[in-house]
Amino acid sequence: GQNIDQPTEMTATEGAIVQINCTYQTSGFNGLFWYQQHAGEAPTFLSYNVLDGLEEKGRFSSFLSRSKGYSYLLLKELQMKDSASYLCAVRDRSDSWGKFQFGAGTQVVVTP
Amino acid sequence: DVKVTQSSRYLVKRTGEKVFLECVQDMDHENMFWYRQDPGLGLRLIYFSYDVKMKEKGDIPEGYSVSREKKERFSLILESASTNQTSMYLCATKPRTDSTEAFFGQGTRLTVV
Repeated sequence: GQNIDQPTEMTATEGAIVQINCTYQTSGFNGLFWYQQHAGEAPTFLSYNVLDGLEEKGRFSSFLSRSKGYSYLLLKELQMKDSASYLCAVRDRSDSWGKFQFGAGTQVVVTP
Repeated sequence: DVKVTQSSRYLVKRTGEKVFLECVQDMDHENMFWYRQDPGLGLRLIYFSYDVKMKEKGDIPEGYSVSREKKERFSLILESASTNQTSMYLCATKPRTDSTEAFFGQGTRLTVV
């Protein structure tokens, strides 16, 4: 299985930048995903990385280093609506069904 | 628009009751999943189904069973509810096994008293 670690909570100011780190251990890496989950709502897909490097999508970017078992989600120009939990998930090649293993999530609190 | 619908947002049941949680999708997706979400533990996979009448155990199947008689509907069954099954239950779907994006329902917050 995979061990996935991410910080429990981060606080940042509106307009600032926050970087959420995720480290993982897996026997056969086959993709890393970031989801956003607002309180009381369903998680929604943010990004997918399978190759090393940075994927940019508007104010959000996701980075992957497979050799280090490391990813980060970068949130720029923070807005109050970005207050949410951010879930890191990993897929393992040994799993023929393509299931995801989720981390516990990082609660981001954006303050005025 | 993708739609995954869970039958109830909030549910309160008594210990020992049989509980059914329903999930319906309108996207003709092959894969469907049931997770529970608890503070500090994240999402943990209970069961999943890769096709009609097919099911596989996830990481924490004990105390649960599932049913998928039709492609669009995936039911989670708690045979005899216990207080440690109080949790948020999330249903998710994917088009196929190799698909990258999963789509989640709104969740059912179940309280067992």
